[in-house]
Amino acid sequence: KQEVTQIPAALSVPEGENLVLNCSFTDSAIYNLQWFRQDPGKGLTSLLLIQSSQREQTSGRLNASLDKSSGRSTLYIAASQPGDSATYLCAVQGGGFKTIFGAGTRLFVKA
Amino acid sequence: KAGVTQTPRYLIKTRGQQVTLSCSPISGHRSVSWYQQTPGQGLQFLFEYFSETQRNKGNFPGRFSGRQFSNSRSEMNVSTLELGDSALYLCASSLGQSSTDTQYFGPGTRLTVL
Repeated sequence: KQEVTQIPAALSVPEGENLVLNCSFTDSAIYNLQWFRQDPGKGLTSLLLIQSSQREQTSGRLNASLDKSSGRSTLYIAASQPGDSATYLCAVQGGGFKTIFGAGTRLFVKA
Repeated sequence: KAGVTQTPRYLIKTRGQQVTLSCSPISGHRSVSWYQQTPGQGLQFLFEYFSETQRNKGNFPGRFSGRQFSNSRSEMNVSTLELGDSALYLCASSLGQSSTDTQYFGPGTRLTVL
């Protein structure tokens, strides 16, 4: 049974700091891994999707890496801004188009 | 292109009632997935439909059911509501044909069971 863990559960950083969010999963037989952000009371916004054959993806200040063999992914956020404050969720998709989410990391960026 | 829409946005029901939630995917998307989000359990997968067929199902009781129509719109139904069914119900759509397909989420339906 696939389990997804995100560390830390919460993080508070000053504006401008670079930071790393971690995601680990127990079953390496995945098709892809996706990072989302969720603002309070809202739906999810897709940030990056990494296919199982890829090692990383970049979008603006965001960089996500995937090490399938060790069951780990990281989301790197450069030069953090108050607008980055949100909950960040990672999700892995395995066989049968079933997606399993981690519990998320709540990020607060102080101005 | 319009995003994923969910109706209604908010719903209040009492125990024992049933409820139907609706999800309209992005035009051209044929896959719709449903999730339940609660503070205690986080986001949990309910089921996924593609071209009117359920391809996978999460670990929820039979009170939770869904269907997809020929235009890819989907509904989920919860019968005999319990207090623990109070949650944000999210649907996501994608092309649904390969591992490269990004899921796009709707704003959710907030269900409160009294």
